[in-house]
Amino acid sequence: DTAVSQTPKYLVTQMGNDKSIKCEQNLGHDTMYWYKQDSKKFLKIMFSYNNKELIINETVPNRFSPKSPDKAHLNLHINSLELGDSAVYFCASSQDETGIYEQFFGPGTRLTVL
Amino acid sequence: EDKVVQSPLSLVVHEGDTVTLNCSYEVTNFRSLLWYKQGKKAPTFLFMLTSSGIEKKSGRLSSILDKKELFSILNITATQTGDSAVYLCAGDEAYGQNFVFGPGTRLSVLP
Repeated sequence: DTAVSQTPKYLVTQMGNDKSIKCEQNLGHDTMYWYKQDSKKFLKIMFSYNNKELIINETVPNRFSPKSPDKAHLNLHINSLELGDSAVYFCASSQDETGIYEQFFGPGTRLTVL
Repeated sequence: EDKVVQSPLSLVVHEGDTVTLNCSYEVTNFRSLLWYKQGKKAPTFLFMLTSSGIEKKSGRLSSILDKKELFSILNITATQTGDSAVYLCAGDEAYGQNFVFGPGTRLSVLP
């Protein structure tokens, strides 16, 4: 069974469009995350979210917004896509936000903005 | 089904020890293998390995990939308490599955 899943796995779109990436975890975890992998393979945290709190990395443009319809889902919505948004985006979840527990990663979504 | 297996899952050593972390993979259309160190914050990138037999080094850390036997090892020499973390390896597939992460090895380095 897939623990953390993302859809779509590939997304090719035009500049200026609005798109969403979905993430679901079936682990019963309280905290979910979105990361952007840059061209050097570094993972930069964008958001962490649990039932109580959304923590936003201040460097993330406000065109990016996480939406959580329920505890098992944290979707990433991106408005007015730009060329520099092209990257692999990873969703992850952990038992809580303390950092004590491991994060489980999804397979990633490769976004290409043309 | 693609999978990445890491061993050991947990390891406790003392400062100064040398450790070897193992990662074996079965990834269709394998492209590269990545190692990350995860502390309490976002994982930090360590290595990307694409070619067999070429060791990559960064300070006390080194890693090598064996594409014939489908595994990689991460070595840490002269361990320090700051090396305590979960070490993740992930297989990158050319298309389809994207990345497959292993379960991680939790390394604890005691003073």
